[in-house]
Amino acid sequence: GAGVSQSPRYKVAKRGQDVALRCDPISGHVSLFWYQQALGQGPEFLTYFQNEAQLDKSGLPSDRFFAERPEGSVSTLKIQRTQQEDSAVYLCASSSDRNIQYFGAGTRLSVL
Amino acid sequence: KNEVEQSPQNLTAQEGEFITINCSYSVGISALHWLQQHPGGGIVSLFMLSSGKKKHGRLIATINIQEKHSSLHITASHPRDSAVYICAVPLRGSQGNLIFGKGTKLSVKP
Repeated sequence: GAGVSQSPRYKVAKRGQDVALRCDPISGHVSLFWYQQALGQGPEFLTYFQNEAQLDKSGLPSDRFFAERPEGSVSTLKIQRTQQEDSAVYLCASSSDRNIQYFGAGTRLSVL
Repeated sequence: KNEVEQSPQNLTAQEGEFITINCSYSVGISALHWLQQHPGGGIVSLFMLSSGKKKHGRLIATINIQEKHSSLHITASHPRDSAVYICAVPLRGSQGNLIFGKGTKLSVKP
C-alpha cells in the first residue's frame, strides 16, 4: 500500500483479555518500530525490528507485551492479560533507512 | 528530566499569525525530527534536519546544534494548521528509536 496501515483503528478490551494489533509497513521498508502514546504524552519507544529480527525490545513495559514480524513485513503487537494502564494509542512506523520514519494512524486501545 | 522539552505546551493563535514552537534537547544528536499529529492519532513527518534551516511551504524549521535547540515556525497560520506538533530525536546508539517531546497543541482560530 501507499502508507503504513494499522488495524484495528480502535479496540476496546475487558481487563484480562488478550489483544493483537497489526501493522502493515510500507512495502520494502526494512525497519519497523512500535511506539506507545499515553493520553497527553509524546509517544514512547516499545520495540524495533530489522526485517524479521527483533533487535531491540527494551521499551516493552512488561512480559505481557510481545511483538513479532515473522516474514519481515507485517508485524503484530500482542498484549496479554490487558490492564487499564495499557490504554493508549499504539503507533507503528516503518523506514527504509534510519532516517525518516513513516507512521501509521495508530490503534487506540481502551481497556475497561 | 525529559531529554526533549517543548514549549509552549498549548498555543492558540488567530489566523494569519506567525507561530513559533521551540524544542530543546539534552543529548547529542545526529538529526532532529518535527512531526505533526492530527486528532485521531496519525503522525506525519514534517522535517528531519541536522543543521541550519529547512523550508516547506509555510513551514520553516531551524536548528542550532551548539545550543541544542530547534524551532518550528509557521507563517500565515491557518485553521487547518491546528494539530499537535512534536519534536523528536533519535536515541544515541539505537537503531533510530525516537525520543519524543510531549508535543505542542496548536489551535488556530479563524
